[in-house]
Amino acid sequence: EVQLVESGGGLVQPGRSLRLSCAASGFTFDDYAMHWVRQAPGKGLEWVSGISWNSASIGYADSVKGRFTISRDNAENTLYLQMNGLRPEDMALYYCAKGLRDAFDVWGHGTTVTVSS
Amino acid sequence: QSALTQPRSVSGSPGQSVTISCTGTDGDVGGYNYVSWYQQHPGKAPKLLIYDVSERPSGVPDRFSGSKSGNTASLTVSGLQADDEADYYCCAYAGSYTRVFGGGTKLTVL
Repeated sequence: EVQLVESGGGLVQPGRSLRLSCAASGFTFDDYAMHWVRQAPGKGLEWVSGISWNSASIGYADSVKGRFTISRDNAENTLYLQMNGLRPEDMALYYCAKGLRDAFDVWGHGTTVTVSS
Repeated sequence: QSALTQPRSVSGSPGQSVTISCTGTDGDVGGYNYVSWYQQHPGKAPKLLIYDVSERPSGVPDRFSGSKSGNTASLTVSGLQADDEADYYCCAYAGSYTRVFGGGTKLTVL
């Protein structure tokens, strides 16, 4: 079964850091691009960042550029999102998603990030 | 990276068809044939319905179809069913390995 399991969310003060992880199973991880998508409470989906299968191509939303870093470990079938300088507006449910062509065909259940003092 | 524009809500009766629009720019929707659509029920993760403008993943009913003209993409849901009531989002490639979502559309089945 194809599965993505996010972890690492939690409560953090503004300005602090957090690292999210996404463990992949059931497919050949290093064949696919991977992405992070977030959803603030009661709001719509926002693409955060994406990384190609070999990490050669990486992109970020303007809202997180310079603060967030995406990476992957193909040997461990794991995707990461290092989030620095967290702001209240970063508070959201963060989904990990598998790439299919230029879409996202498999989603995890998400991990919640709360930014509050 | 401005969000793509979708209507806030659409509605239709069972058996009818509805179309949801998604308007962007030459830099995203109009510039590439990389538009996808997602369905999200409350409390659930999104589900891919359409990719590459009009392609359906296996398992998605052919009641869901996608198209594009210029800077506007569209999702049509035919033969509306009660379970189609959900939020729908479009997403487009926006260059430099970035993507942008639409604001979402709530579909109500009357």
